[in-house]
Amino acid sequence: DTEVTQTPKHLVMGMTNKKSLKCEQHMGHRAMYWYKQKAKKPPELMFVYSYEKLSINESVPSRFSPECPNSSLLNLHLHALQPEDSALYLCASSQGGVVNYGYTFGSGTRLTVV
Amino acid sequence: GQQLNQSPQSMFIQEGEDVSMNCTSSSIFNTWLWYKQDPGEGPVLLIALYKAGELTSNGRLTAQFGITRKDSFLNISASIPSDVGIYFCAGRPAYSGAGSYQLTFGKGTKLSVIP
Repeated sequence: DTEVTQTPKHLVMGMTNKKSLKCEQHMGHRAMYWYKQKAKKPPELMFVYSYEKLSINESVPSRFSPECPNSSLLNLHLHALQPEDSALYLCASSQGGVVNYGYTFGSGTRLTVV
Repeated sequence: GQQLNQSPQSMFIQEGEDVSMNCTSSSIFNTWLWYKQDPGEGPVLLIALYKAGELTSNGRLTAQFGITRKDSFLNISASIPSDVGIYFCAGRPAYSGAGSYQLTFGKGTKLSVIP
């Protein structure tokens, strides 16, 4: 299995809703990431988990809350989002270590906040 | 923070033509990655480069890690309509230290292929 699987593929939520994005990989990768991507822009790093511990938070607002239940799963909990948070949210994983072997992205969740 | 200069920003080519795009940096990199992204999908890794001077092919794609460690190029030979998409370079700066997991992305090259 060489894939990163993200669910759901599309999500529409109101500004008062609570929802979660899910990501799963079974490649034995020990680093997992959340990225946010706006149209026609490169992905922007949000969070990095290394060996199931949060190692990087790129000053992301608290309305985004990551969670890593185990080495294969990564969640992103969403609450009280704003319309400007609408974007493609990408999960990625890598072997970690010095050279980030196998830095693989999922197909993303297209989030629309209304 | 560190930025990658990717060029060209966009290109229109005729089917069958060869394509070349590149990324440059003001500082040295330890890793260069090239991704292709289709609309509404995640980036798909095309080629990964880990050593200065390394030249790697993947079918019609060839990429090189520049010997100065400050640049990389991607060539696509005999383009076909399914090559359409946005191509991103990404790299890990040498200054980021061992164990760093962050990638720096270029702004992308949008490729259009005219049949």
